[in-house]
Amino acid sequence: DIQMTQSPSSLSASVGDRVTITCRASQSTNTYLNWYQQRPGKAPKLLIYGASSLQSGVPSRFSGSGSGTDFTLTITSLQPEDFATYFCQQNYRVPWTFGQGTKVEIK
Amino acid sequence: QVNLVESGGGLVKPGGSLRLSCAASGFTFGDYYMTWIRQAPGKGLEWVSYMSTSGSAIYYADSVRGRFTISRDNAKNSLYLQMNSLTAEDTAIFYCARVRRRSGGLLKNNYFEMDLWGQGTTVTVSS
Repeated sequence: DIQMTQSPSSLSASVGDRVTITCRASQSTNTYLNWYQQRPGKAPKLLIYGASSLQSGVPSRFSGSGSGTDFTLTITSLQPEDFATYFCQQNYRVPWTFGQGTKVEIK
Repeated sequence: QVNLVESGGGLVKPGGSLRLSCAASGFTFGDYYMTWIRQAPGKGLEWVSYMSTSGSAIYYADSVRGRFTISRDNAKNSLYLQMNSLTAEDTAIFYCARVRRRSGGLLKNNYFEMDLWGQGTTVTVSS
């Protein structure tokens, strides 16, 4: 199975900050990498697919980059509604696997 | 309105069975792969199973293979998950999600992304 490791596991940031979350795969996943946002008590929501494509309706302050084993989710100018947990997920090989999540908290 | 609604969760004793349902609306259900994802209390997301449009391709996580069965009824716009031999480790919120499949190009894997999620149904396995 492909293991996905996110860092950090949690971070504290202020509104307006730039935030970067990293996801590393145990083997190459090319660009078969998605990012999801999960607000407390809610279902996950697709943010980025194919490592760098923005899902329709998602604000442009979210962006993704990377290929192979190293990926990044960046949020420029953090907004109050962005405080949530973020998960990466590879869809290169079954079983599809998720990172453990990164919780973005208010400083 | 595009929507997925799960049902069928509840409290079940270890060794028991439960059948989850996911009702789709607002889109052509038969055109999409579908998947089940679960989340144990306070934990991350775990992929459980997915099924192709016709059912010709079905995959399971090792943790549920042989105990869980995914199925669908395209005429009823519904996805199901039959869960047998349940243990405490199966306690979780179960989400169904629509899978968008995109071609990766010649000789490459398809891309899959879960672009629509239900609100989840809670399964608790406890004596």
